[in-house]
Amino acid sequence: GEDVEQSLFLSVREGDSSVINCTYTDSSSTYLYWYKQEPGAGLQLLTYIFSNMDMKQDQRLTVLLNKKDKHLSLRIADTQTGDSAIYFCAEIPNQAGTALIFGKGTTLSVSS
Amino acid sequence: DSGVTQTPKHLITATGQRVTLRCSPRSGDLSVYWYQQSLDQGLQFLIQYYNGEERAKGNILERFSAQQFPDLHSELNLSSLELGDSALYFCASSVEGIPGNTIYFGEGSWLTVV
Repeated sequence: GEDVEQSLFLSVREGDSSVINCTYTDSSSTYLYWYKQEPGAGLQLLTYIFSNMDMKQDQRLTVLLNKKDKHLSLRIADTQTGDSAIYFCAEIPNQAGTALIFGKGTTLSVSS
Repeated sequence: DSGVTQTPKHLITATGQRVTLRCSPRSGDLSVYWYQQSLDQGLQFLIQYYNGEERAKGNILERFSAQQFPDLHSELNLSSLELGDSALYFCASSVEGIPGNTIYFGEGSWLTVV
């Protein structure tokens, strides 16, 4: 496909793990990113992974990259209500210069 | 606080009008990006400038234009506004505008066209 694809909604209970999935478009994208947007706020960079890595862990966040399938996932361990937000997957495909191209975002809802 | 400053934060204007959105990048950042976020289209890349020159163009309408000034601030001009232009417009900046440089986003300018 030509768009970065993400599922639109995910609902989890506090303390559970959340997994947000993304399929990107360009197999030559060098960096892949996860951004977080809280209500009424701008976009905050959560983490990124370089394309020669399969996995990156940063505290409660784990990013998995499957280059063959162009699949990226973000796992949030011990999800808290403060993690409720929209999560965007993004890539920098060759045809976009150095601009980030985003998916439509996954709204994560965490219930207590 | 990302260090990217956008003004105004909110703007309401009528169809057919013209508005200018302003962005001050993080200190030292040479590259500026503009994005439009709407419910139906999601986050769309509009245009990128690097050190005053246009570097990449995305889904920017012909009614829209942008520029980056010698002091590196940028302006996005939206003209002949339509109801569908109502959206949140983000500015972002990075040091050199190359892959791997972290891109920082401002808090956005909410535009409502009535």
